[in-house]
Amino acid sequence: GQQLNQSPQSMFIQEGEDVSMNCTSSSIFNTWLWYKQDPGEGPVLLIALYKAGELTSNGRLTAQFGITRKDSFLNISASIPSDVGIYFCGNNAGGTSYGKLTFGQGTILTVHP
Amino acid sequence: DTEVTQTPKHLVMGMTNKKSLKCEQHMGHRAMYWYKQKAKKPPELMFVYSYEKLSINESVPSRFSPECPNSSLLNLHLHALQPEDSALYLCASSQDGQGAGQPQHFGDGTRLSIL
Repeated sequence: GQQLNQSPQSMFIQEGEDVSMNCTSSSIFNTWLWYKQDPGEGPVLLIALYKAGELTSNGRLTAQFGITRKDSFLNISASIPSDVGIYFCGNNAGGTSYGKLTFGQGTILTVHP
Repeated sequence: DTEVTQTPKHLVMGMTNKKSLKCEQHMGHRAMYWYKQKAKKPPELMFVYSYEKLSINESVPSRFSPECPNSSLLNLHLHALQPEDSALYLCASSQDGQGAGQPQHFGDGTRLSIL
C-alpha cells in the first residue's frame, strides 16, 4: 500500500521561531491534506491542496503541493505555544480505494515559551 | 467545536462486556469512517461506509462490528475485546467518499480501555 514519509518526527523550538515539516511519497497524488491533533482531541483539517504547485495559506500556516505531485510541505511562521500538537499529512487514494485516508507518521511539535 | 460528535468520551470495559460507540454528524455527509489510534501514532482506518453501505473493511477482527443505521449515525459494537484493543477510536465523515481528495472531518474520539 501507499506510504507517506513525514519528517521530522519531532521538533523542539522556541516561541517565535518558524517551523517547516514535509511529506514525501513514491506515488503521485492529486491531493494533500494537513491535519493537526491536540491532546485529547481528534485531528483537525488545517489545509487541503488539490493542484500541483499550489501554495495555500491559513493564517500563519502555509502549505505547498510539490510540483512532482509526490511531496508537500507545511510551514508555520512565528510559532506560539498553542501550536503544540501532532501534525499529520494525509492523502486520499483514488481508484478502488476511494475513502482510504492514509496518514504520515506525524510530526510532534513542542514550543518553549 | 467539532461537527462530528462521539459518545462516550471515555469507556472502560472488561473483556467479556458488550458495549457500543456512537458517532453522529449533521453536515449532510454520506461517507462515515471508523479509525483506531494508538498514542503518538497516526489514525489507522478500520471501516468506511458510503451511502449507508459498508464499502471498506480493513481486515478488522469480528469482535468489532460496525453499523450505519442512517446517513447521520454510525455505531461500533464491541464484544470480547482484548487488552491490545485499548486505544482512541475516532469517527470521521466526508462528503460522499466517492471522490479522491475529499477532506475528512473528525470527532474527538472515544478513549477505550480494556481491563
